[in-house]
Amino acid sequence: LAKTTQPISMDSYEGQEVNITCSHNNIATNDYITWYQQFPSQGPRFIIQGYKTKVTNEVASLFIPADRKSSTLSLPRVSLSDTAVYYCLVARGSARQLTFGSGTQLTVLP
Amino acid sequence: ETGVTQSPTHLIKTRGQQVTLRCSSQSGHNTVSWYQQALGQGPQFIFQYYREEENGRGNFPPRFSGLQFPNYSSELNVNALELDDSALYLCASSLAGAGGNTEAFFGQGTRLTVV
Repeated sequence: LAKTTQPISMDSYEGQEVNITCSHNNIATNDYITWYQQFPSQGPRFIIQGYKTKVTNEVASLFIPADRKSSTLSLPRVSLSDTAVYYCLVARGSARQLTFGSGTQLTVLP
Repeated sequence: ETGVTQSPTHLIKTRGQQVTLRCSSQSGHNTVSWYQQALGQGPQFIFQYYREEENGRGNFPPRFSGLQFPNYSSELNVNALELDDSALYLCASSLAGAGGNTEAFFGQGTRLTVV
């Protein structure tokens, strides 16, 4: 299973754009890159998923370079409610075992 | 709201006891996975069930066992509870065999405290 590396924590201010980068050097051909958000004492919530190039939804954008060895989650204009732990995962197409790392604690300050 | 419900929300058990946690998957989903999340750590995969059969297992001892029922709901059973079993237990449902990649939907979890 591909291992991911991401910053332990990040601070930002309300209204700013936040970019969280994840390294996954051993990503396999069949792996997708998925990001989850988790608030305290709640289950992780799917944010976005991609395979290559750029994916955008109503919540975030995901940028994946051609070699796919890293990815960047972009959150536009964050608010206090975006304070959470963000996990980067790589998983096969069948979405079997999800391997979570320690995630990135994002703290949005007023 | 993911449509995945877990019960109970909180539970306190004594070391050595047995516990059963329950999960109702999202309508239409045929796959259920269980995760253990210790305080300050990411969720760790316990096992997955697909069409009532175990379909993958993480690094957990046999005293962690599970079931999936014909309606795709699931149970996690833990025997001979240890203090280190205290954690948030998460259930995630997904639709396997749909082609392409699938998204996992997590429940709110069951907070188990072993004393």
